[in-house]
Amino acid sequence: KAGVTQTPRYLIKTRGQQVTLSCSPISGHRSVSWYQQTPGQGLQFLFEYFSETQRNKGNFPGRFSGRQFSNSRSEMNVSTLELGDSALYLCASNLAGGLSYNEQFFGPGTRLTVL
Amino acid sequence: KNEVEQSPQNLTAQEGEFITINCSYSVGISALHWLQQHPGGGIVSLFMLSSGKKKHGRLIATINIQEKHSSLHITASHPRDSAVYICAAGGNRDDKIIFGKGTRLHILP
Repeated sequence: KAGVTQTPRYLIKTRGQQVTLSCSPISGHRSVSWYQQTPGQGLQFLFEYFSETQRNKGNFPGRFSGRQFSNSRSEMNVSTLELGDSALYLCASNLAGGLSYNEQFFGPGTRLTVL
Repeated sequence: KNEVEQSPQNLTAQEGEFITINCSYSVGISALHWLQQHPGGGIVSLFMLSSGKKKHGRLIATINIQEKHSSLHITASHPRDSAVYICAAGGNRDDKIIFGKGTRLHILP
């Protein structure tokens, strides 16, 4: 089975722009969650989608949004980029939904640099 | 105080040594996760446990629910074990995951 894939792998944007990141889960997995990783804050949970519905959300501003399609692929959007949004963005999938009690399978990440 | 604390932050050891990484958490959990992240970013889930002990190869994870503490042990460490190890608490109230800051492990040949 193919693993979780994320595109693009690297991205450079300037302040004020918006960006869309894509995540394709493992075949059959219906849950996709997104995470931000920075040197200062470490890994932080952004949101989880299950069956096209946002199931859970972390403490991030409304500039961060996402969606999930009927094939379980998910996109994450960040509008009005700020320098502090520079980070590694990781997505993960699991079979049944729920983060705390299910093993997560992570993608390779998208490294976003905001200039 | 962070809800998930790991120690040590950095650890350098010689090949063959027994390694212990500790994780303390303050939230109620459904499960405690141990993750491994290699340079380049990819994260692999090593263990998910809610009680007792689990073993996979040279890796052992234990958890003490009463003390809200978990440990990850590596026996006969090898340079390929060099990575960042992250523990994460899966909250039982809100089903969110809270991550520790990670332990950077470097095994010298």
